[in-house]
Amino acid sequence: KAGVTQTPRYLIKTRGQQVTLSCSPISGHRSVSWYQQTPGQGLQFLFEYFSETQRNKGNFPGRFSGRQFSNSRSEMNVSTLELGDSALYLCASSLMSRGNSPLHFGNGTRLTVT
Amino acid sequence: TQLLEQSPQFLSIQEGENLTVYCNSSSVFSSLQWYRQEPGEGPVLLVTVVTGGEVKKLKRLTFQFGDARKDSSLHITAAQPGDTGLYLCAGLTSGTYKYIFGTGTRLKVLA
Repeated sequence: KAGVTQTPRYLIKTRGQQVTLSCSPISGHRSVSWYQQTPGQGLQFLFEYFSETQRNKGNFPGRFSGRQFSNSRSEMNVSTLELGDSALYLCASSLMSRGNSPLHFGNGTRLTVT
Repeated sequence: TQLLEQSPQFLSIQEGENLTVYCNSSSVFSSLQWYRQEPGEGPVLLVTVVTGGEVKKLKRLTFQFGDARKDSSLHITAAQPGDTGLYLCAGLTSGTYKYIFGTGTRLKVLA
């Protein structure tokens, strides 16, 4: 069974630009969550989607948005990039929503904002 | 704001030594998970504990959930270089169903 796939693995952007990250969950998993990982703040929850609906949201500004498609694939968008957005963005899929099944993480997209 | 504090932050030990990592919070969690993350990869789930006082063993790793479901510990017996990595605890909040991740413990086991 293929794991969670995130693309691209690495991305370099300039302040003010926008970026879209992609996540393909494990086949059959309907929940996709996004996390930001930085050395200073650790892993922080961005949002969770289940069956194309946002189920949960973390404490990030509106510049961070996401969506989920009918095939459960998800995308995350960050607009007007800031230097502080440089981080590893991790996607995790699970069978069910609301913590009823374990998280399976992808290997992340490392975003560098210059 | 719910926080999960892990201690120690960094640990460098010799192969064969024992160690314990702690994960503490003032909040009650529905369940708690432990993950290990290696460089360039995402976290991989090690265990989920649900009941207060629960103890689970995974080969040389022993996990315990506190009686009040506010804290947890991970004990590794006879550590090996393959145990090297970033260990993360994650608590599932009641009601909001969000995972709160701990601050992480970076373990290095020297051969």
